[in-house]
Amino acid sequence: DVKVTQSSRYLVKRTGEKVFLECVQDMDHENMFWYRQDPGLGLRLIYFSYDVKMKEKGDIPEGYSVSREKKERFSLILESASTNQTSMYLCASSRTSGRYNEQFFGPGTRLTVL
Amino acid sequence: GENVEQHPSTLSVQEGDSAVIKCTYSDSASNYFPWYKQELGKRPQLIIDIRSNVGEKKDQRIAVTLNKTAKHFSLHITETQPEDSAVYFCAASTSNYQLIWGAGTKLIIKP
Repeated sequence: DVKVTQSSRYLVKRTGEKVFLECVQDMDHENMFWYRQDPGLGLRLIYFSYDVKMKEKGDIPEGYSVSREKKERFSLILESASTNQTSMYLCASSRTSGRYNEQFFGPGTRLTVL
Repeated sequence: GENVEQHPSTLSVQEGDSAVIKCTYSDSASNYFPWYKQELGKRPQLIIDIRSNVGEKKDQRIAVTLNKTAKHFSLHITETQPEDSAVYFCAASTSNYQLIWGAGTKLIIKP
């Protein structure tokens, strides 16, 4: 059974703080994703990683960076948190092998920036 | 760029009736179309998917249809039950293992 975990369910930070969100998957998946979910906007891709140390920008990368030093772990970094980054953050993973790629999601981190 | 449009944004149906959610996509190379269900406070989970070489797929009360010519696919839920209340997302695959997501449909089942 695929398991994707995220470091926190709820997080409250202050404007200007550096914030780290961590995601770990236990199924040896090559691909990992960070999404942001806001009401009425669906799932918007922030960054995507298809291998260790590899990353690609998604639709809304501004204000974020990522790190993937190990295959199972993908970190999202808010360099200087701002109030407009208050949101639900979802991590997901999928495998590369095969043509079709179901994504498995973590439980989400609800971040509030004050 | 590629996009997926999903309609309606909110759908309210009487318990026992059917519900239909529709999506259109723009990338003709898309070949995988999953549907995810997200219950309140929970993570999105895959409920059904369809590949490009199939026109229809059923799993108990849910079914998905795909029209590749029109770049259109739909989710059908029959005999709706209270536990079907959730937000449903459609998605379409891209060439680099990503999914392009629809904006979501909030399905409300009225007792």
